[in-house]
Amino acid sequence: RKEVEQDPGPFNVPEGATVAFNCTYSNSASQSFFWYRQDCRKEPKLLMSVYSSGNEDGRFTAQLNRASQYISLLIRDSKLSDSATYLCVVHQGYQKVTFGTGTKLQVIP
Amino acid sequence: NAGVTQTPKFQVLKTGQSMTLQCAQDMNHNSMYWYRQDPGMGLRLIYYSASEGTTDKGEVPNGYNVSRLNKREFSLRLESAAPSQTSVYFCASSEARGDHINTEAFFGQGTRLTVV
Repeated sequence: RKEVEQDPGPFNVPEGATVAFNCTYSNSASQSFFWYRQDCRKEPKLLMSVYSSGNEDGRFTAQLNRASQYISLLIRDSKLSDSATYLCVVHQGYQKVTFGTGTKLQVIP
Repeated sequence: NAGVTQTPKFQVLKTGQSMTLQCAQDMNHNSMYWYRQDPGMGLRLIYYSASEGTTDKGEVPNGYNVSRLNKREFSLRLESAAPSQTSVYFCASSEARGDHINTEAFFGQGTRLTVV
């Protein structure tokens, strides 16, 4: 079993739709969690951190469920500019930083 | 704001050749990393450096060496390139808090390496 698993997609959704991604992790000692966005042939960039209490940034909501060991990302009112690959990242201290393989989102006009 | 700068952006090597990928950050971060990204594999950690003067192996260190020259610079060397090392390489840096949790990682623009 991979340490961090994501559905690779692609998720093809129409503009304005709501889409959700999940990411599961296997190590219960994992300490911090992030969602990154990667555009085609570009470097990953931080989208948002993920906290136990959940956090929201505009149209984006991230949740952490420690009991079930998964994190989620919800995107509301999808825009064409949201088309990208979304990577979940799990830290167990700086010795262990594991990226998921990414979920590809394509927002269709 | 330069952030993390990697050079070169593209490189083609012949099998057996050597090269060094350079990385520098201007954010005064303690931690620096080298990753490779292959289709369907995600980003895999090659080596990391928690602070100046220290380096440690990541998930896929074979065939690579690193050097943390100073706090700013972290280089990755391929001593004898192999076709299996064809990949996109990313350098990243982040700040480690006192509890060993890292904050956001900032990435360089990547190096696209082809070994023929």
